[in-house]
Order: sequence, then structure tokens, then C-alpha cells
Amino acid sequence: EVQLQQSGAELVKPGASVKLSCKTSGYTFSNYYMSWLKQMPGQNIEWIGNIYGGNGGTGYNQKFKGKATLTVDKSSSTAYMDLSSLTSEDSAVYFCARNYYSALDYWGQGVMVTVSS
Amino acid sequence: DIRMTQSPASLSASLGETVNIECLASEDIYSDLAWYQQKPGKSPQLLIYNANSLQNGVPSRFSGSGSGTQYSLKINSLQSEDVATYFCQQYNNYPFTFGSGTKLEIK
Repeated sequence: EVQLQQSGAELVKPGASVKLSCKTSGYTFSNYYMSWLKQMPGQNIEWIGNIYGGNGGTGYNQKFKGKATLTVDKSSSTAYMDLSSLTSEDSAVYFCARNYYSALDYWGQGVMVTVSS
Repeated sequence: DIRMTQSPASLSASLGETVNIECLASEDIYSDLAWYQQKPGKSPQLLIYNANSLQNGVPSRFSGSGSGTQYSLKINSLQSEDVATYFCQQYNNYPFTFGSGTKLEIK
């Protein structure tokens, strides 16, 4: 069974950074891209970027360049997203999701990031 | 970026009814379109990919159609468990972009 397990909720101060994780199981991690997405409360879903599990190759939404950095650890089948210089505009739920023909067939449960002093 | 215009923003229908949700792309996306269902507090679930392919395990009352810039999701015989927000997503061009969602309620 394919599973994507995300790390727990984060409360971070403005200007700080946070690293989110997405641990996978049930499929060959290196054969798929992993996307990261942002959803602010009651709002649209934004695609941040994706990363290939095989070689760590990345593609980013221009809007999130400099804000998000995607990495993978093949040995643990885990994808990571670093968010830097956090502001209140970064408070949102963040999802990881496996790419399947570029549709997103399996999603993590989401992690709430709250930026507050 | 490709803009996805989804309509209606909200929809109220009776049990057993058929509903349609539309998605208009700002340019041709060559059927590179997916539909998702999101229930409150949950992550989105893939329903349809490649505009009309039903994801494994999704009930057959869900169907997708369309081409070019115009796409639709049809739900036949509406069930209570279909109450959710539905999103379309294009993956023809980076960055992937989503419609603004349709909130479906039972009348």
C-alpha cells in the first residue's frame, strides 16, 4: 500500500526556516516525482515544485523560487522541503503528493505551518 | 502560467441528481487535466486523470470529458458522501495550476 507520511504541525517565528518531511512506503521511491503544494485556509491549491526521487532533479514554480528548496534522501525514501525567511503569508497547509503521469495520485495528510511571533 | 477557471464556485443538488462542474483553461492543455475531491480537513483525492480516465477505486458515477480548453466533471446519482470541494488541475505546462474549486452540498 502506497503511503506518504508527513511530519507534524509547525509553529515558527517570522524570519525563521522550517524543514518538512514526507516519508514514503509501498512503492519504488526512485521511480517517481514528488510534488509539494500549498493550500491556505479556504483557498486554492498552489503547486510549489517537484523533485525526482531517482536523481534529485527539481522543478520549481517561479513564485516559490528562493522560498522553497526540495531535496530527497533515497536511502530512507523521504522527500523534504525547506521553507526559508518565513512570513505570515507562508502560514498554510503543505502537502506532498506523488506524481502519476503528472496527475497527483497519492497525497500526504498535510502539515499545518503557522508563522507567528 | 495557464489559468484554470472553474465553475460554479458552489453547487447545491439533491441526492440522486446529476451534477456537472466545468473547467476552462486559458490555452489548449491537450487533455492533461485531472480532477480531485477534497473533504474538509483531508487531503485531495485523485478522481480523474488525462481528462477522462477514472482512477482505480473511484466509483463509476464519476466521469470526465473535454478537450482543448474546455473540460467537465460529471457526477451521476449524487450520494451524501460526495459532499466535498472539487478541483481541476492542468499538468500540460509548468507550473501546474489548479482551478479555484467547486463546493458541492446536498440540498
